[in-house]
Amino acid sequence: SQQGEEDPQALSIQEGENATMNCSYKTSINNLQWYRQNSGRGLVHLILIRSNEREKHSGRLRVTLDTSKKSSSLLITASRAADTASYFCATDAGTGGFKTIFGAGTRLFVKA
Amino acid sequence: DTEVTQTPKHLVMGMTNKKSLKCEQHMGHRAMYWYKQKAKKPPELMFVYSYEKLSINESVPSRFSPECPNSSLLNLHLHALQPEDSALYLCASSHPGLARGSSYNEQFFGPGTRLTVL
Repeated sequence: SQQGEEDPQALSIQEGENATMNCSYKTSINNLQWYRQNSGRGLVHLILIRSNEREKHSGRLRVTLDTSKKSSSLLITASRAADTASYFCATDAGTGGFKTIFGAGTRLFVKA
Repeated sequence: DTEVTQTPKHLVMGMTNKKSLKCEQHMGHRAMYWYKQKAKKPPELMFVYSYEKLSINESVPSRFSPECPNSSLLNLHLHALQPEDSALYLCASSHPGLARGSSYNEQFFGPGTRLTVL
């Protein structure tokens, strides 16, 4: 079953612009993560935000979490062509265990 | 070494074949995962091993048989697969963590095995 729904499904921007992706989920969570996947490759962990955190930064990434709305957003500032990839949110579905459920993903294309 | 390796990179097999996918990590992680990913879809969890014991089986058909022979290795044995099983199979590992809300769910992924079933 799919926990997270992401929008937009696809996003095309110019290099230097900011990209914002949103994720909504259905159950309570302990943490939410964002991953990046280059075409047909493995996923790379970007950032983890815990349920008691509201915002987190890592380099050009900014993640927010609103547990009351069951939603999160990922902002990539000053995007680069190398940021072209699919971005997935993932939650633990509140199980506190290993079960990880990925959202549908946003495909980001950054034009040089 | 912060790498998860998977072999083979590509695999083509017939429906009557038996093959195995292999995954290896040397980060001391004690949780290892198998995911299946179809094109333009998110990864779907199949199995999780914790301390070499099967912790989660997401109702995966028995034609997929996981094995964790030691803390560094994870195998996925394949037998009598169907064409719809063609997909990218991803392995991941993580620290199991000590408490809820810890960072244990950060997973490190291998590059995947692209499986085609004819």
